[in-house]
Amino acid sequence: DAKTTQPTSMDCAEGRAANLPCNHSTISGNEYVYWYRQIHSQGPQYIIHGLKNNETNEMASLIITEDRKSSTLILPHATLRDTAVYYCIVRVGVDPSGYALNFGKGTSLLVTP
Amino acid sequence: EAQVTQNPRYLITVTGKKLTVTCSQNMNHEYMSWYRQDPGLGLRQIYYSMNVEVTDKGDVPEGYKVSRKEKRNFPLILESPSPNQTSLYFCASSLSPGTSIYEQYFGPGTRLTVT
Repeated sequence: DAKTTQPTSMDCAEGRAANLPCNHSTISGNEYVYWYRQIHSQGPQYIIHGLKNNETNEMASLIITEDRKSSTLILPHATLRDTAVYYCIVRVGVDPSGYALNFGKGTSLLVTP
Repeated sequence: EAQVTQNPRYLITVTGKKLTVTCSQNMNHEYMSWYRQDPGLGLRQIYYSMNVEVTDKGDVPEGYKVSRKEKRNFPLILESPSPNQTSLYFCASSLSPGTSIYEQYFGPGTRLTVT
């Protein structure tokens, strides 16, 4: 799996957009970008994933650069409940060899009032 | 409600006393797995199961056993717990390997302390 690089921590004011970057310069053509988050000691939660195109769901938007070497997760109107560690994971979409998720260290996002 | 449940949520035990942490999912998922999370080491996979009666080792299987006799259940067994197995444990499930959607559902976690 391609390695990802994320900032260790970020701050965001409540109500503002939170933009979380992720570098994955060695990503392969068949690898997807996934985002999960973990709110303090709770089970990780899936947010969104994408291959090439930008994606949006009720939680967030995912912007993937044209060369696919980096991506940005956008929380459009951050709330205090969005304070969590956010993990960017690159993984082959269909892989029968275990499906383990390599969470790495992630970005600790603090949303402040 | 789609969910993964784990029991117990908290457990303090002594070295060598066998224990089982249960995991159950109600989404008819084929794939289930166990992770442990330790400070500075992140989440690491212990065991996984592709379907009933099919299990395999993850990255850190030593000291653990699993079984998958029913599709919905995937218990984690510590035959002789040791202090280095003190950790936060998560069970997860997802659709079969034949899909490209890689959304794993995680349980709430079990905090285990072995003294």
